[in-house]
Amino acid sequence: DSGVTQTPKHLITATGQRVTLRCSPRSGDLSVYWYQQSLDQGLQFLIQYYNGEERAKGNILERFSAQQFPDLHSELNLSSLELGDSALYFCASSPTGTPGEDTQYFGPGTRLTVL
Amino acid sequence: DAKTTQPPSMDCAEGRAANLPCNHSTISGNEYVYWYRQIHSQGPQYIIHGLKNNETNEMASLIITEDRKSSTLILPHATLRDTAVYYCIVRLRYGQNFVFGPGTRLSVLP
Repeated sequence: DSGVTQTPKHLITATGQRVTLRCSPRSGDLSVYWYQQSLDQGLQFLIQYYNGEERAKGNILERFSAQQFPDLHSELNLSSLELGDSALYFCASSPTGTPGEDTQYFGPGTRLTVL
Repeated sequence: DAKTTQPPSMDCAEGRAANLPCNHSTISGNEYVYWYRQIHSQGPQYIIHGLKNNETNEMASLIITEDRKSSTLILPHATLRDTAVYYCIVRLRYGQNFVFGPGTRLSVLP
């Protein structure tokens, strides 16, 4: 158990809909990262937040957005869903952004299925 | 960006040491080498990381060559539960993020 929690575990929805994925980082961790893992793409970094502010952006679509709240939990919002958005979505957290001290600990993931 | 090269798959007999190689010939002096693994569709699990010196923890040992162009992850006594995809990652510049490649699929055989 990494200490990172993600809800829900599974999510089934239809095309065009909007969903919200939630992540609670490990106690004391200030950074939160979101990743997408689909069968043909591997693990793709989406976005990072550090203490409430966006720190880095990866391959995140404009239909997707995220935020980190004052209590440090984070939400990933996916809208206008398409079949291709079906994937595992992982959240990770790390204590800081200092190299060597920023080991990322991953949550169990949310499996999103778009029908 | 520093990239890594790993064999796509490896087999190891249960109880024997598993040695997983990684090539990172373009690594810079201040870049760390990290190893993660992913069992089935679970979240990736941190194993170990290092900069220049060899490192050991309760899970594994990391051997980094003197020129830092390659490294080896050693699982000293592999068990069936070590069957997973192992990712070698070079931490990019400060503030950048982990880039996961295809990794090595390790199969531990009874």
